[in-house]
Parts: sequence; structure tokens; C-alpha cells
Amino acid sequence: QQQVKQSPQSLIVQKGGISIINCAYENTAFDYFPWYQQFPGKGPALLIAIRPDVSEKKEGRFTISFNKSAKQFSLHIMDSQPGDSATYFCAASTGRGSTLGRLYFGRGTQLTVWP
Amino acid sequence: SAVISQKPSRDICQRGTSLTIQCQVDSQVTMMFWYRQQPGQSLTLIATANQGSEATYESGFVIDKFPISRPNLTFSTLTVSNMSPEDSSIYLCSVAWGTGELFFGEGSRLTVL
Repeated sequence: QQQVKQSPQSLIVQKGGISIINCAYENTAFDYFPWYQQFPGKGPALLIAIRPDVSEKKEGRFTISFNKSAKQFSLHIMDSQPGDSATYFCAASTGRGSTLGRLYFGRGTQLTVWP
Repeated sequence: SAVISQKPSRDICQRGTSLTIQCQVDSQVTMMFWYRQQPGQSLTLIATANQGSEATYESGFVIDKFPISRPNLTFSTLTVSNMSPEDSSIYLCSVAWGTGELFFGEGSRLTVL
């Protein structure tokens, strides 16, 4: 059973546009929601993360929106650039104690930004 | 964040052989993890490697197939034993900070013929 469901599988955006990737989860024990960016041939890099005590977190052009009641969270990339073309993974965990590091990943979204 | 180095970065192996992947971290960390990323797929946790104790394996992964060592707080190895083509994957070492942030190495890309 997929603990975290991610959509869309692929996304094509024009340069300067907004990229939006959505994720949903079922386990209400999850309290840590990171997003990872992965370029071909590289390991995943932590991009931004949120905990459920806030509904939004912004770092530069990247924003996470979190809806606790709907059990959904999304990544928004503003002013998308060709250099943002990569695979993006959402993930979730309880983020502490014995389950620290046990992340459940979505299936990934391959983002292509056209110049 | 930590600098995580993995060796080998890639390898091509024959069916039935074993390969040991090394993970070196530039600082001491309590918890290290091994993930697998099958071609075009998501990441799945194989096991948690804690120094001074046996690794804890996730459902579907067993010690005989993926033995793990953790001799100190900066180093771990994962062995993929008796390999088959289905083991062709990227194997990723990761470390966690107490804040819950998880950082990954560059991965070891394994192809089994």
C-alpha cells in the first residue's frame, strides 16, 4: 500500500510559470513532510520540509502548502526555470524517535521546464 | 548537513556474485539508513544501521540478502548478496539529524547481468 500518493507523474511547464506537485497521505501519525529534488545520476537533495503546525512554508521560489484536515500537501515552484528540471519526491514520516529516518516516499514527479 | 560519500559510484556485476557498498560520513551520526531506488521508481528503506547493534530491516528485506555493518559512527557497509538482475538498482546511504532531516549520498548504481 502506497503510504504517500503523488501526482502528477510528469509535468511540463514554461519558463517563468508555476509548477505544482501534489501529495496525499493517510497516516495521521505523520508529522514531517519533506520534498526532495533529484537530478539524473545524483542522490536526492532535501529541498524544503514542513511540519503540521504551520500551513505554509516558503523558501525562495519554493513553497509548501499543507492542509492537515485534507491530509494533503503540495509543492509550488514559482518562476520555474530550466534548471529546476528534475524529479521531485514528496515524503512523510513521524520524524522522531525510533522511526526517525524512515521516510515514505511518493512515486516522484518528473518536471520539465521549457525555456 | 553532512557530506556522505559512497563507493563504488557504479558497478556492473555478474549474477550470483556479491557486492559491498561503502558509506562514509564526514561527521559522527547516530543513525544511518540504506535505501533502494529501483529504475524509474521511488525510494524504499532497506534497513536502519545503528552503531553497536544489529541492523533493523524493513519488511521484504532480510539480513542474509543485505548484510549491513556499522563499525563506528561515521561508516557503514551494505552487501548485496547472491545478486540477480532484479537487484539492479541505485543503493543510497543516508543519515538523519535529530530534527528529522534526512540527507542522502550520491548513490551506488548497480547493474546485474
